[in-house]
Amino acid sequence: QVQLQESGPGLVKPSETLSLTCTVSGGSINSYYWSWIRQPPGKGLEWIGYIYYSGSTSYNPSLKSRVTISVATSKNQFSLRLSSVTAADTAVYYCARVNYDSLTGYTDFDSWGQGTLVTVSS
Amino acid sequence: QTVVTQEPSLTVSPGGTVTLTCASSSGAVTSVYTPSWLQQKPGQAPRTLIYSTNKKQPWTPARFSGSLLGGKAALTLSGVQPEDEADYFCLLYYGGAQPNWVFGGGTKLTVL
Repeated sequence: QVQLQESGPGLVKPSETLSLTCTVSGGSINSYYWSWIRQPPGKGLEWIGYIYYSGSTSYNPSLKSRVTISVATSKNQFSLRLSSVTAADTAVYYCARVNYDSLTGYTDFDSWGQGTLVTVSS
Repeated sequence: QTVVTQEPSLTVSPGGTVTLTCASSSGAVTSVYTPSWLQQKPGQAPRTLIYSTNKKQPWTPARFSGSLLGGKAALTLSGVQPEDEADYFCLLYYGGAQPNWVFGGGTKLTVL
């Protein structure tokens, strides 16, 4: 049973860069897509982007200019960087594994981390 | 930006049946959108119950089913249990050169 664990600072100053890492255990990061999702307090979910183990990425168009997702296969980790943060970026950030077939669009977000709260405040 | 719309809230009696729906601002939802349904209880991470319209995870109770209904994705709960009280989010896939996914705003289901 694969497990995912988010880690990183819980407090980030406005205009700075938010950096989080997701560590995958109980399974290999290879051959899967890996995604970041966030949820502002009391609100709904927002898909941020994904990375394939080979390094290809796709991002939410509304965040694309500020987001970078990278992968470190030797460490079984993938990471999120979100630049120029504001209070609107305060949220619980989740990482998830995605079973995805780019030819058919078959999608299954089948494993999720527990989430980590990141607050943007000075 | 595409908007995915769900009922903000629904109430159902224990043992009853309820259907949640998920609409896309870009038009009728079809299987191409590979709709998923996620359940989230307070303080917990979401978990996928239904994917690719009607496929179930090993942990999905039999009373949950997914379908397409009148141009929308639908999640039906038959024989609702008190533990089904939760937030439910649909997720639609928008393919193309830069594929992306869009979540619905969520439905708060109350069992009363």
